[in-house]
Amino acid sequence: GDSVTQMEGPVTLSEEAFLTINCTYTATGYPSLFWYVQYPGEGLQLLLKATKADDKGSNKGFEATYRKETTSFHLEKGSVQVSDSAVYFCPSGLTGGGNKLTFGTGTQLKVEL
Amino acid sequence: DGGITQSPKYLFRKEGQNVTLSCEQNLNHDAMYWYRQDPGQGLRLIYYSQIVNDFQKGDIAEGYSVSREKKESFPLTVTSAQKNPTAFYLCASNPSGYTGELFFGEGSRLTVL
Repeated sequence: GDSVTQMEGPVTLSEEAFLTINCTYTATGYPSLFWYVQYPGEGLQLLLKATKADDKGSNKGFEATYRKETTSFHLEKGSVQVSDSAVYFCPSGLTGGGNKLTFGTGTQLKVEL
Repeated sequence: DGGITQSPKYLFRKEGQNVTLSCEQNLNHDAMYWYRQDPGQGLRLIYYSQIVNDFQKGDIAEGYSVSREKKESFPLTVTSAQKNPTAFYLCASNPSGYTGELFFGEGSRLTVL
C-alpha cells in the first residue's frame, strides 16, 4: 500500500536559516500529498498540499513540490522564524476507501534566536 | 465561522470512570475521525465514521466507544476498560472521506488520576 517516510527530528535551526524536512513516498498511483503542522498544545492544521505530479503547494512561506521522478515531497522554507517552531507531519494514506491518513511521529522543529 | 469544536479542552478523571469527549462540526462534512496522540508518538486512529449511523474501528479501538447519530456530532467515550487513557485526543473531519484532507479540532487533553 501507499507509505511515506519522513525525516526524523528534532531539527534545531537559528532564525533566518533555510529549512528542509524530507518526505518520500511509495505508491502505486499518484496520491495527494500533504504537510500538516501542529503548534504546541493545539490540533493539526493543513499547511499545504499537492494533488498531482509537479504541483507545488505553498503557504506561509513554506513550499513543497510533488516530484514524481524522486517520489518526494520535501518541505522547504527559505528563512525560518521562531514562530515556525512546531511539529510537522507528512502523512500517508489512501485516496479512497475510508481515507485513513496515517501520521507518524512527525518532525519537531525548534527555531532559536 | 465553520470548524470543529472539541470539548472539554482539559479533563481530569479518576481511574475506573467513563468519560465522554465531545466533537461537533459545522462544516457539513460526511466523515469524522478520532485520533489519540501520546508524547513522542504519532497520531493513532481510534474510530472513524464515513456516514451517519455508521462507524468503523481504527487501529486502537479497544476501550473506546463512539456514536454517530447526527452528521455534525461524533462523541468519543473512553471507558474504564481502556488501560492507559491519559492522552491528547484529536477529532477530525473530511468532506467526503475520500480526498485526504483532514480538518482538526483543537484537541482534548485527558488526564486520569
